[in-house]
Amino acid sequence: LAKTTQPISMDSYEGQEVNITCSHNNIATNDYITWYQQFPSQGPRFIIQGYKTKVTNEVASLFIPADRKSSTLSLPRVSLSDTAVYYCLVGDSGATGFQKLVFGTGTRLLVSP
Amino acid sequence: AAGVIQSPRHLIKEKRETATLKCYPIPRHDTVYWYQQGPGQDPQFLISFYEKMQSDKGSIPDRFSAQQFSDYHSELNMSSLELGDSALYFCASSLAWDRGHPGELFFGEGSRLTVL
Repeated sequence: LAKTTQPISMDSYEGQEVNITCSHNNIATNDYITWYQQFPSQGPRFIIQGYKTKVTNEVASLFIPADRKSSTLSLPRVSLSDTAVYYCLVGDSGATGFQKLVFGTGTRLLVSP
Repeated sequence: AAGVIQSPRHLIKEKRETATLKCYPIPRHDTVYWYQQGPGQDPQFLISFYEKMQSDKGSIPDRFSAQQFSDYHSELNMSSLELGDSALYFCASSLAWDRGHPGELFFGEGSRLTVL
């Protein structure tokens, strides 16, 4: 399984764009990259998933370079409610399901007024 | 829309007692995961099931066991409880493969276990 490395914490201000980068040097050919957001005492919540290049949805963008050894989650114009822990996960389903999805040390994002 | 249901939401036990947590996945989801999250820690993968068969194990203590039943609900059984077992236990479900890519995990609200 690809191990992921993220910054421990980041600080930002309301209205700014936040980019969180995750390193996954040992990513396998079939692995997808998925980001989750977690608020205190709540279960993680899916943000975005990608395999290569760029993926965008209504809340975030995910940039994946050609070598796929890293990925960057981009949150446009953050608000106070975006203060949370963000996790990058790497894995694939294989033949028997999405196995052993391991959460690494997430990035604690603090958004200030 | 139906979400992952976990019960009980809160549980208080004494040391050396036994506890059982239940998880009801989203209908038609074929995969269930259990995670343990201690205070200030990241979620730790315990075990997963795909189509009612154990698919992988993580850092699950031997005192813990889990199974998935014919109706797809899952139970996490914890025996000889220790103080260090106090944590939030999350269950998540997913479709292993959803429209050409791995399915997203949907997490329940968690069961908070306190061991005294």
